[in-house]
Amino acid sequence: DGGITQSPKYLFRKEGQNVTLSCEQNLNHDAMYWYRQDPGQGLRLIYYSQIVNDFQKGDIAEGYSVSREKKESFPLTVTSAQKNPTAFYLCASSMQGYQPQHFGDGTRLSIL
Amino acid sequence: QKEVEQNSGPLSVPEGAIASLNCTYSDRGSQSFFWYRQYSGKSPELIMSIYSNGDKEDGRFTAQLNKASQYVSLLIRDSQPSDSATYLCAVNNDRGSTLGRLYFGRGTQLTVWP
Repeated sequence: DGGITQSPKYLFRKEGQNVTLSCEQNLNHDAMYWYRQDPGQGLRLIYYSQIVNDFQKGDIAEGYSVSREKKESFPLTVTSAQKNPTAFYLCASSMQGYQPQHFGDGTRLSIL
Repeated sequence: QKEVEQNSGPLSVPEGAIASLNCTYSDRGSQSFFWYRQYSGKSPELIMSIYSNGDKEDGRFTAQLNKASQYVSLLIRDSQPSDSATYLCAVNNDRGSTLGRLYFGRGTQLTVWP
């Protein structure tokens, strides 16, 4: 089955710790995206990548980092510099251009 | 600043009624428009795409686009309790470096009561 796999489903971070959220897609999509959603809020773009080895900051990139070494994978690291990381993190992918994005099931991150 | 605004809601309709969800956008260069449904605690699911002016129907859903008025709407006919969710409007612009990036509204929460 083609789709977008995010792992883990739930993640807990200790103070001062970096954590990495995984996102893998087998849809052969060129572009991948990371969003953050807070309770009752819309989606806010963290980072996006339209091609391997290239990515751009979104609206709330501070405290986050990404890599795009393979077309299928776009991991997100939440660094200790992100002081309020508790949120629902969503990964999406799309073909290039005006195509819709499709989402993974998300990762819920909380602070211990 | 690219803005996508949705009617604030929450919207509550009886089962069998038509639910009307509205969205306006600020960037005249926007080229593609999407509606996503998000159930509580779940990820967004694409339900409609529309690219040209007019209506597009898919089952009980109809998307309407008016680029001159910078307005896109979603009608849900014969609403069912299973339609109760938050509906997100998303807009794609035509700028080269950000082509593909979607701008989302904050969503409208719909409740369909039996």
